[in-house]
Amino acid sequence: ETGVTQSPTHLIKTRGQQVTLRCSSQSGHNTVSWYQQALGQGPQFIFQYYREEENGRGNFPPRFSGLQFPNYSSELNVNALELDDSALYLCASSLEGTRNTEAFFGQGTRLTVV
Amino acid sequence: AQTVTQSQPEMSVQEAETVTLSCTYDTSENNYYLFWYKQPPSRQMILVIRQEAYKQQNATENRFSVNFQKAAKSFSLKISDSQLGDTAMYFCAFLKIQGAQKLVFGQGTRLTINP
Repeated sequence: ETGVTQSPTHLIKTRGQQVTLRCSSQSGHNTVSWYQQALGQGPQFIFQYYREEENGRGNFPPRFSGLQFPNYSSELNVNALELDDSALYLCASSLEGTRNTEAFFGQGTRLTVV
Repeated sequence: AQTVTQSQPEMSVQEAETVTLSCTYDTSENNYYLFWYKQPPSRQMILVIRQEAYKQQNATENRFSVNFQKAAKSFSLKISDSQLGDTAMYFCAFLKIQGAQKLVFGQGTRLTINP
């Protein structure tokens, strides 16, 4: 197992609600990336945080937002939930600034929007 | 923009056989990394093998090896002496060297190893 932990593991929300997902990065890692994995698909990059700043964003609307804290843990917030937001949300931590490019993934949060 | 294509949605082999998973990608970058990740039912993505594009030698990790053809933009994964624990989704992924560490994944191949 990696040192990346995500909470909660499962979540059910109603359309229009807001949700916050959490990720604790592996010790020593300063970068957190979030991915959305729809059922039967590969993960899609949402955004990345490095030293508390957004450091790249995929093709997701502004209602997907995030934070990174001084201890490098991170939150993903999604406002105005839509049915299509139902997916597995994966967090990955890595060490930016070196040639070590291995990203360690958490076990994900399964979000269901009804 | 980079794209990654895995043309085999599902594959199934007998235990101890060798299996090859295909992956092609498209990029205008000259230097990049390629990865194979395994995602078992536990959902956690596990790195199987990594290839640096500037290295001509194909990467190997125990029973796992790749056939990296840079000119053809092809990156296949060979699993030798397959084991029941190899049953999982396998994703090919691309990473630019510059900029955000944004992995671009293929659609995945569901591999089943039968006893």
